[in-house]
Amino acid sequence: GAVVSQHPSWVICKSGTSVKIECRSLDFQATTMFWYRQFPKQSLMLMATSNEGSKATYEQGVEKDKFLINHASLTLSTLTVTSAHPEDSSFYICSVPDQARYTDTQYFGPGTRLTVL
Amino acid sequence: DAKTTQPTSMDCAEGRAANLPCNHSTISGNEYVYWYRQIHSQGPQYIIHGLKNNETNEMASLIITEDRKSSTLILPHATLRDTAVYYCIVRVGGNTGGFKTIFGAGTRLFVKA
Repeated sequence: GAVVSQHPSWVICKSGTSVKIECRSLDFQATTMFWYRQFPKQSLMLMATSNEGSKATYEQGVEKDKFLINHASLTLSTLTVTSAHPEDSSFYICSVPDQARYTDTQYFGPGTRLTVL
Repeated sequence: DAKTTQPTSMDCAEGRAANLPCNHSTISGNEYVYWYRQIHSQGPQYIIHGLKNNETNEMASLIITEDRKSSTLILPHATLRDTAVYYCIVRVGGNTGGFKTIFGAGTRLFVKA
């Protein structure tokens, strides 16, 4: 399957700081990428759709000013958690759709575990 | 996208077939059935997908009923490394890349030695 990388794989930060998470598609280009958040023992929750060359589309209830998304190129999307607080501690996962296939299979990154102290 | 219903958890003996059911009674004609799994503390992994016909790949088989209202994912010879949460997702396919994938609660499969 396609390879999607995320950096960093884990990060610990102090409350009030900002954290940037990178998602890279190593095998193919994508005009769209997706960001998810997962709390312990819960399913993945879609946060936003990252669009290359335009603004991200956020799901209802997700603060766009807190979770800044930049789709800098066809292989890179970044998620910045601004002014992080302990309640933002979570597992953040990105996905990249394989747009070459008609059925649009999603390939997921390994995730970034954020801990805010 | 159509809603899916899966059992919360299942057990399977190592070496035996694991059959994971999924109900999607409101599926539309242009919606595919996808299966993903998530091993603890990792990102989800694509397993298989199908529209109408049964599908098989190196990981699993997907059996879709004729009315398409339910499906079964089959892991033919489960190993301990198949212990994971398995997600059945129904959604429109397409080559635009813009269709969201919404996850339900999934089935937690425990493979026991």
